[in-house]
Amino acid sequence: QQQVKQSPQSLIVQKGGISIINCAYENTAFDYFPWYQQFPGKGPALLIAIRPDVSEKKEGRFTISFNKSAKQFSLHIMDSQPGDSATYFCAVSWANQAGTALIFGKGTTLSVSS
Amino acid sequence: DTAVSQTPKYLVTQMGNDKSIKCEQNLGHDTMYWYKQDSKKFLKIMFSYNNKELIINETVPNRFSPKSPDKAHLNLHINSLELGDSAVYFCASSRPGPLNTEAFFGQGTRLTVV
Repeated sequence: QQQVKQSPQSLIVQKGGISIINCAYENTAFDYFPWYQQFPGKGPALLIAIRPDVSEKKEGRFTISFNKSAKQFSLHIMDSQPGDSATYFCAVSWANQAGTALIFGKGTTLSVSS
Repeated sequence: DTAVSQTPKYLVTQMGNDKSIKCEQNLGHDTMYWYKQDSKKFLKIMFSYNNKELIINETVPNRFSPKSPDKAHLNLHINSLELGDSAVYFCASSRPGPLNTEAFFGQGTRLTVV
């Protein structure tokens, strides 16, 4: 059973446009919702994360929107740039349990055309 | 100054061989992980260790054996390598707790079994 469903699988956006990636989860016990960014040949790196007590978090051009009742969260990239071209993964986890791992979505490959 | 370092970065070996991947983190984290990324970029947890104690052991063949000699190191030994083991293996570390659950990933080890 896939615990995190991510869409779309791939996304092409014009420079300056808005990129939106969505994730849905099943288990309401999850309390940590990060987005990771991965460039080719590199390991994933944390981009932005949110806890379930807030509905939105913004860091620069990146915003997470969180809908607890719908069990969904999304990443919005404003003013998308060619340098944002990468694979994006949503993930879920339990924040307070030692050794708990991230459960990742299947990833979205974003291409920003100039 | 690399936070999570893995060696080697590339590993090409024949079926049936035994190989090891080493991982070291200098972040002072208590928890370390091994993730596997397949050819479709899907990231899945294999093992996690907290203070040298095995916490998570996902459904991984027992040919895979993690070893944590101390909190800063988590090595992965693979026996009798098979073609299906070809993937990118990522080591990661984190500090569990309510305020800081970011996982830091190494650059990955691309294992190719021929």
